[in-house]
Amino acid sequence: NAGVTQTPKFQVLKTGQSMTLQCAQDMNHNSMYWYRQDPGMGLRLIYYSASEGTTDKGEVPNGYNVSRLNKREFSLRLESAAPSQTSVYFCASRGHLGGISRFHEQFFGPGTRLTVL
Amino acid sequence: DQQVKQNSPSLSVQEGRISILNCDYTNSMFDYFLWYKKYPAEGPTFLISISSIKDKNEDGRFTVFLNKSAKHLSLHIVPSQPGDSAVYFCAAIRYGNNRLAFGKGNQVVVIP
Repeated sequence: NAGVTQTPKFQVLKTGQSMTLQCAQDMNHNSMYWYRQDPGMGLRLIYYSASEGTTDKGEVPNGYNVSRLNKREFSLRLESAAPSQTSVYFCASRGHLGGISRFHEQFFGPGTRLTVL
Repeated sequence: DQQVKQNSPSLSVQEGRISILNCDYTNSMFDYFLWYKKYPAEGPTFLISISSIKDKNEDGRFTVFLNKSAKHLSLHIVPSQPGDSAVYFCAAIRYGNNRLAFGKGNQVVVIP
């Protein structure tokens, strides 16, 4: 049981290049999320998917697209990377197990550190 | 607009003493609150939570207190240990919603 996995761990891009960040979870969770973490800014939600087949914008969606490929996988795509997208990206998932006390708990992956030059 | 606020970005405390982290929220519709802990180069991990129907929840060395009238919660770590050195995020949500609102985090350094 690996939980939430993310690939790659590190990536360096040049401005204008594109790439896809991959995320997979093996906990049979319905909801999945993409966050970015920047110094002094906390965790900001980019996009989320409440269930397979649905996606919604978070607070900072500009410059990103997402795909909920199936229940396990949720990818984040940068079509034309910009230096402002240099950040650490976290994927998370949430299930409905564990009763009310754990209903809102999100499980996070280890992160992808992205640098755009 | 920041709905969850964590002031005092960093805290240093001696090993064995109490660490107190504070969190304020503006949305009165929030009814569930969580604390996450994050080590460098790792993802955040869930630490403890509290429902708005309670004013205290305790789990080992960690206790969260909720003051609904003041829209304020705090995390107490007693006694603090060097392994508690991390960034702590406060988060809030309205039950049934999909999105957590996170604070900016507090860096805690426990000095041996």
